[in-house]
Amino acid sequence: AQKVTQAQTEISVVEKEDVTLDCVYETRDTTYYLFWYKQPPSGELVFLIRRNSFDEQNEISGRYSWNFQKSTSSFNFTITASQVVDSAVYFCALSEDRDDKIIFGKGTRLHILP
Amino acid sequence: GAGVSQTPSNKVTEKGKYVELRCDPISGHTALYWYRQSLGQGPEFLIYFQGTGAADDSGLPNDRFFAVRPEGSVSTLKIQRTERGDSAVYLCASSPLGKGLAGDTQYFGPGTRLTVL
Repeated sequence: AQKVTQAQTEISVVEKEDVTLDCVYETRDTTYYLFWYKQPPSGELVFLIRRNSFDEQNEISGRYSWNFQKSTSSFNFTITASQVVDSAVYFCALSEDRDDKIIFGKGTRLHILP
Repeated sequence: GAGVSQTPSNKVTEKGKYVELRCDPISGHTALYWYRQSLGQGPEFLIYFQGTGAADDSGLPNDRFFAVRPEGSVSTLKIQRTERGDSAVYLCASSPLGKGLAGDTQYFGPGTRLTVL
């Protein structure tokens, strides 16, 4: 069965600090897709990244970077030089190749303090 | 706008009543999904449409929940005999690929907050 675990329920950091959000997943499929979504206080889920299981290259997009490691079934997300606008709930999610639905973790609530 | 839209944004109803929640997907997207998000939780899958047909309704909690997409665009989630436990944010998402291929990116609407008193 597929499962996504975000062990950090809530994190608070001071602005400009770096912060890493952890994500561990479980799946029996060899082909699968991983996602990160951001949910700001407005409530709308904002797509950040999609990664397929055959692409373990790390990705950087501005202040955001993602570290995908199949050996540890982890897909961690790092925000560099955090800003107050990064405050939100962040969800890691998994979709198996046999399926079309996305399985979400419970989310990590990130507070960036000014 | 170009995104997924959902109406109403908020719905308050009484236990036992019937409600309908509407989703307007991104133009041209053939796959449409409904999720439910309870407080402090991640979204949970309810149902997925490919065109007009429900390709996977395995997430619907019971037969009080039903969804339709008669013309392959707008979808309506219908809940009969609402219960207090149905209170949640109902999210709709759409994705562009014709076959709803796994891994295809889903874009979410703002949600409808349903409160059952």
